[in-house]
Amino acid sequence: AQKVTQAQTEISVVEKEDVTLDCVYETRDTTYYLFWYKQPPSGELVFLIRRNSFDEQNEISGRYSWNFQKSTSSFNFTITASQVVDSAVYFCALFHTGGGNKLTFGTGTQLKVEL
Amino acid sequence: DGGITQSPKYLFRKEGQNVTLSCEQNLNHDAMYWYRQDPGQGLRLIYYSQIVNDFQKGDIAEGYSVSREKKESFPLTVTSAQKNPTAFYLCASSIFFEPISSYNEQFFGPGTRLTVL
Repeated sequence: AQKVTQAQTEISVVEKEDVTLDCVYETRDTTYYLFWYKQPPSGELVFLIRRNSFDEQNEISGRYSWNFQKSTSSFNFTITASQVVDSAVYFCALFHTGGGNKLTFGTGTQLKVEL
Repeated sequence: DGGITQSPKYLFRKEGQNVTLSCEQNLNHDAMYWYRQDPGQGLRLIYYSQIVNDFQKGDIAEGYSVSREKKESFPLTVTSAQKNPTAFYLCASSIFFEPISSYNEQFFGPGTRLTVL
């Protein structure tokens, strides 16, 4: 069974602080993909990153960075120097090639960035 | 512009009524999906369609029905059999259903918020 756990329900930070959102996944497959999506108050999901199970390189995109560690089944997301516009719900998701293109989502982390 | 449109944005329904949520995409994607989102929960898959005239139940299909008569359209009907239909509904599409290539991202529409009165 596939499972994604986002243990942090809500995080509040002050602008310019760094913040890390945790994601732990479970799968028996050796080939799988991990995603992060952002859901702003408008509701639409915005794709942030995709990582396949064979690529453990960390990635940085501007203020965003991702740390993928297969040894701990984690795919954590860090925002550096957070801004108010980063306030949103962030979802981690998993799909495995054996089950078609069906995503398993975590329950999401609500990030609030205050001035 | 290419993308996914969902209508209406807000929908109110009386108990016992069926309602249909619209989802249209002009991305020429084969696969389409319906998800339900409840407060404090992640998205759960209701139905998905790999290709025209074909669709499959997801994890929570009871009380819902779909059709896929055209590639670009995948409407979702919330029937009176759905006991707790108040939720946020998201439609998505992807190029293929099977992840043939390494990149098979799902693109999401803006969602429809359904409230049962």
